[in-house]
Amino acid sequence: EAQVTQNPRYLITVTGKKLTVTCSQNMNHEYMSWYRQDPGLGLRQIYYSMNVEVTDKGDVPEGYKVSRKEKRNFPLILESPSPNQTSLYFCASSSGQIAYEQYFGPGTRLTVT
Amino acid sequence: GENVEQHPSTLSVQEGDSAVIKCTYSDSASNYFPWYKQELGKRPQLIIDIRSNVGEKKDQRIAVTLNKTAKHFSLHITETQPEDSAVYFCAASRWDSNYQLIWGAGTKLIIKP
Repeated sequence: EAQVTQNPRYLITVTGKKLTVTCSQNMNHEYMSWYRQDPGLGLRQIYYSMNVEVTDKGDVPEGYKVSRKEKRNFPLILESPSPNQTSLYFCASSSGQIAYEQYFGPGTRLTVT
Repeated sequence: GENVEQHPSTLSVQEGDSAVIKCTYSDSASNYFPWYKQELGKRPQLIIDIRSNVGEKKDQRIAVTLNKTAKHFSLHITETQPEDSAVYFCAASRWDSNYQLIWGAGTKLIIKP
């Protein structure tokens, strides 16, 4: 089954404790992206990747890191999480150019206390 | 940069009536406009999209219209049903934007029985 998976689905952590949210897709997509979703603000792009070893900042990259060592994986790293990073996070992938459908993962609900 | 405004933020319609959600964009070079539907607790999913070389696109009960001169595009849902209740997001992109979609803030559509 073609899908995008994220882990964990739910995470409660404390300020300053490094964490990684994994994202994996099995559709051989070149393009992958991370979004955060907050009430009233819609979807805001954090980072995106056009292919292996190619990443770039989105609209809200501060406090986040990413890497793309393999085509299928695109982990999101919060090296020192803060309460303002409490949010719902989505990973997405698409076949190449932005005009193609984006397939979203199930989301990760992160709470930073 | 591109900015997308979406209205209304909440829309309540009687089952069977039509619903219209409107988005305006700022960058006249934008040329791809998708609409995503997000049901409660689920991931966003593409429902329809339109490119700047056409003015209207239909898929059963949903349609999208694009007015390039006025820089706005709208989602039309006819004969609304309970399963149409969801949050709808519009987005805009341009071919040379390095794979960035700029999203509207979302519209919560409520279908009243």
